[in-house]
Amino acid sequence: SYELTQPSSVSVSPGQTARITCSGDVLAKKYARWFQQRPGQAPVLVIYKDNERPSGIPERFSGSSAGTTVTLTISGAQVEDEADYYCYSAADNNLVFGGGTQLTVL
Amino acid sequence: QVQLQESGPGLVKPSQTLSLTCTVSGGSISSSNYYWSWIRQPVGKGLEWIGRIYTSGSTNYNPSLKSRVTISEDTSKNQFSLKLSSVTAADTAVYYCARLSIVGAMIDYWGQGTLVIVSS
Repeated sequence: SYELTQPSSVSVSPGQTARITCSGDVLAKKYARWFQQRPGQAPVLVIYKDNERPSGIPERFSGSSAGTTVTLTISGAQVEDEADYYCYSAADNNLVFGGGTQLTVL
Repeated sequence: QVQLQESGPGLVKPSQTLSLTCTVSGGSISSSNYYWSWIRQPVGKGLEWIGRIYTSGSTNYNPSLKSRVTISEDTSKNQFSLKLSSVTAADTAVYYCARLSIVGAMIDYWGQGTLVIVSS
């Protein structure tokens, strides 16, 4: 089975750049997607196909990929970006989620 | 606008079967462009994919849950359902239904989630 590994927490000050990584062998051949989940709310897709943004997602959200690691970058993080972020990938008719990263912006 | 809404008991006894239904509005579960999925999240923990169903009725399940999971559909009601048998306290979680695109595997719509507690 596949596994995706994320740091448990990342902390930045408002206006700084936040980077959240997601690592796993499956990412060398499959795209990653990223979700934002605020407390008590359903997740919202912020990045798909490694680096594409759905409509309505601010430009400060971007994604990149290098080998078996993908990175979600939030340029000029804002207080409202404080949330949990999850990566996921699809392979062999299964979906696999990373363990999630709590982003603190303060 | 597509909307998904989970429904079902919020409390299930250990060893019994958890049953949830997802009602979809604003879109058809018979669409060939999407899978319809169940995902769960234990309180304070991460997301876990349970499985999905396609319009043909074909299903895929998380290998770790496969022996206990059944996902089915009722196209006449535009609903799909989850059954998880032999539940234990470890199955206590918020259960989400969601739409997964065939192209790109994007989960673009979620229900609000429903908390199911397994307790006697």
